[in-house]
Amino acid sequence: GAVVSQHPSRVICKSGTSVKIECRSLDFQATTMFWYRQFPKQSLMLMATSNEGSKATYEQGVEKDKFLINHASLTLSTLTVTSAHPEDSSFYICSATTGQPYEQYFGPGTRLTVT
Amino acid sequence: QQQVKQSPQSLIVQKGGISIINCAYENTAFDYFPWYQQFPGKGPALLIAIRPDVSEKKEGRFTISFNKSAKQFSLHIMDSQPGDSATYFCAANQAGTALIFGKGTTLSVSS
Repeated sequence: GAVVSQHPSRVICKSGTSVKIECRSLDFQATTMFWYRQFPKQSLMLMATSNEGSKATYEQGVEKDKFLINHASLTLSTLTVTSAHPEDSSFYICSATTGQPYEQYFGPGTRLTVT
Repeated sequence: QQQVKQSPQSLIVQKGGISIINCAYENTAFDYFPWYQQFPGKGPALLIAIRPDVSEKKEGRFTISFNKSAKQFSLHIMDSQPGDSATYFCAANQAGTALIFGKGTTLSVSS
């Protein structure tokens, strides 16, 4: 099956710094990638939809200037958390579509801890 | 976001028993209904999915039942095993759009 990777798997950063999370589709071209955030013992909440070569579409309440998304190629999307604060600590998960309407594959997630 | 309501929040089942998790949706435009399994610290993994043109789909010990008129669908895990202990999420979407997830059900299978 299709494989999606994320890097890093865990990251700890200091408050006020920025951190970049990569999402890669390893064996397919992803026309669309989605970014989700999951707080402990909660569900996945959609943050933004990312299409290759165009600006990301953010969900209501998600600050686009704080969570910068770049989908520069058909296999890579990045999420940069700028000026991170402790409340940004969460599990960030990406998913990618293969182009088939219902096939969506999830990455293993990135645990961000802001101290 | 359109809601997908999931119940129960937690479930304890004895080994060999049947686990049943229910979901209800609002948006009649949804046409894809997957179930995901998630272990702590891992991303969600697709278990089984159904389209609204069928009322039931079975894969091994996992079965989805779908009721289009009631806008409900459920996951049945037969012969539940301790290794099935995880969090289960139902989800729904239209083709090509992001999945909308239920709040999740924590399943514990006691041996």
